[in-house]
Amino acid sequence: DAGITQSPRHKVTETGTPVTLRCHQTENHRYMYWYRQDPGHGLRLIHYSYGVKDTDKGEVSDGYSVSRSKTEDFLLTLESATSSQTSVYFCAISDQGMSNQPQHFGDGTRLSIL
Amino acid sequence: QQQVKQSPQSLIVQKGGISIINCAYENTAFDYFPWYQQFPGKGPALLIAIRPDVSEKKEGRFTISFNKSAKQFSLHIMDSQPGDSATYFCAAYQSGTYKYIFGTGTRLKVLA
Repeated sequence: DAGITQSPRHKVTETGTPVTLRCHQTENHRYMYWYRQDPGHGLRLIHYSYGVKDTDKGEVSDGYSVSRSKTEDFLLTLESATSSQTSVYFCAISDQGMSNQPQHFGDGTRLSIL
Repeated sequence: QQQVKQSPQSLIVQKGGISIINCAYENTAFDYFPWYQQFPGKGPALLIAIRPDVSEKKEGRFTISFNKSAKQFSLHIMDSQPGDSATYFCAAYQSGTYKYIFGTGTRLKVLA
């Protein structure tokens, strides 16, 4: 399995509080992604990174920010959590290099916002 | 144009039967089509993938059929087993965009 660790694995918090999720990789892959998974919607891209300090928005980026200060860590922050952000969050990595490469996923963070 | 439409949403198959999941896309610039398998409590894991210059790819009991003119691709699971019960996602990727577009998933249940 690809070396991807997400933390925490579960979190319950209240509306309006800030939340930070961490993704740590040991594969030295250039590309990192944050997705949310909700019933009926599949996996939706929140933000992605194509290098240290290089990030871009995905299709559902409102209310989320990210940071990548080193290759191995990609942080997802909910500045002021809302109940609509209750979801399972997955981090993924890939190393597209010279040709298309698949993504490898972590085991997710289940986030509940009350 | 960036969507990938996946069907069915759920599927029940008898042990030993064939499971078929279909995906359709609009963007002809997509050039890589992976399928992922996800078990409860785990992240999606790559199952098999295909490029549009190939019409079929087989790995064990899993086969991708690709129809470029129809902009459709499908996953066939032969001799389905209870251990194949999982959620399956198709995806599409366009070189240079760094982004993968996922279908909405198919929950497969294989009855013993």
